[in-house]
Amino acid sequence: GNSVTQMEGPVTLSEEAFLTINCTYTATGYPSLFWYVQYPGEGLQLLLKATKADDKGSNKGFEATYRKETTSFHLEKGSVQVSDSAVYFCALRTGGGNKLTFGTGTQLKVEL
Amino acid sequence: EAQVTQNPRYLITVTGKKLTVTCSQNMNHEYMSWYRQDPGLGLRQIYYSMNVEVTDKGDVPEGYKVSRKEKRNFPLILESPSPNQTSLYFCASSSNRGDTEAFFGQGTRLTVV
Repeated sequence: GNSVTQMEGPVTLSEEAFLTINCTYTATGYPSLFWYVQYPGEGLQLLLKATKADDKGSNKGFEATYRKETTSFHLEKGSVQVSDSAVYFCALRTGGGNKLTFGTGTQLKVEL
Repeated sequence: EAQVTQNPRYLITVTGKKLTVTCSQNMNHEYMSWYRQDPGLGLRQIYYSMNVEVTDKGDVPEGYKVSRKEKRNFPLILESPSPNQTSLYFCASSSNRGDTEAFFGQGTRLTVV
């Protein structure tokens, strides 16, 4: 079956530091890959996505590249801000279906 | 504004007392689903619906029921809640067309004592 593995959190960074959150997946077929962000007390919001190999998704300074050879979709940001503090979920969806398979989430805390 | 609305946001109840969590979307989406979020486990799908009157089990359906009588509404029913159903619940909706974004409600934090 499908599965997503994310690095354990929490991750604590200083403002303007470089961020990487690792995500690897196992899936049948060719999944679409997503990063969702959950700010405190809120639901999940789509941050970025990539639908095929070598695609790069980007939004709000965050980037992730769909790497089929390493089955990875690592999230990066060059300079984090306090407002980026949230929980980040990597997820995948396969075939024509709508079901999302999520990783366990990585909590990010950015300090001044 | 496109949104998924869940109610209530917070609920404390006692074991065995039936409850319903409502979910409504205003985007005319065909697909709706319920997830529960637990520490260290991420989000797991409980039930989903491909369209009106079409529902099916997700990964963790035990102890839950759903119905889809109207396209916009997808209530989650706990007939006899137990403490292991204490969790954070999210409703989500998306279009069946292609590779579209899923929209999530703000969540319902349920405590069963």
